[in-house]
Amino acid sequence: EAGVAQSPRYKIIEKRQSVAFWCNPISGHATLYWYQQILGQGPKLLIQFQNNGVVDDSQLPKDRFSAERLKGVDSTLKIQPAKLEDSAVYLCASSPRRLLAGVTDTQYFGPGTRLTVL
Amino acid sequence: LAKTTQPISMDSYEGQEVNITCSHNNIATNDYITWYQQFPSQGPRFIIQGYKTKVTNEVASLFIPADRKSSTLSLPRVSLSDTAVYYCLVVANSGYALNFGKGTSLLVTP
Repeated sequence: EAGVAQSPRYKIIEKRQSVAFWCNPISGHATLYWYQQILGQGPKLLIQFQNNGVVDDSQLPKDRFSAERLKGVDSTLKIQPAKLEDSAVYLCASSPRRLLAGVTDTQYFGPGTRLTVL
Repeated sequence: LAKTTQPISMDSYEGQEVNITCSHNNIATNDYITWYQQFPSQGPRFIIQGYKTKVTNEVASLFIPADRKSSTLSLPRVSLSDTAVYYCLVVANSGYALNFGKGTSLLVTP
């Protein structure tokens, strides 16, 4: 079974530029997550999709970050404009089941995209 | 989301058993305890999940006391390749959001 794919693996931009990350989840997985991991910290959830609908985006800085999951499959996360503090690894994860009460689901993570903002 | 507390770092020698304890005092009745492992330049990887008592798989064991306010991840006979960061998370049974803390950085040496 193929894992979660992310691209690019690395990206270097200057502040105030725009950047986009792409994620292709494991085939058939209903739920998709984007996390931000700053060096030395654990991942922080940015947004969670179930199929193509947003379930939770309470920690997404909406003034500069946006994400979409068209057709309920792959997803893009965009930052516009980037700030120095956005330097981090952006992780995408997916899980197979729809979110249902009483069901806890394993998340499968991709390798991440390392963003450096200069 | 229940907050978790775990040691920042631990050291061990190869072949030893390693126990990492996590406290989660405000865990809710329907929450599960889940552990992930993360190697450098990789995304986290699921290790084990449990609700109460003991759970064992081919990688680790998870011990959860009756009050569920803490849990212990046990790694038997660690090897150098077990050097990683280990995250303890409390997962709501709805599956919503994972609250990753800073994790425990485990260093295994010869």
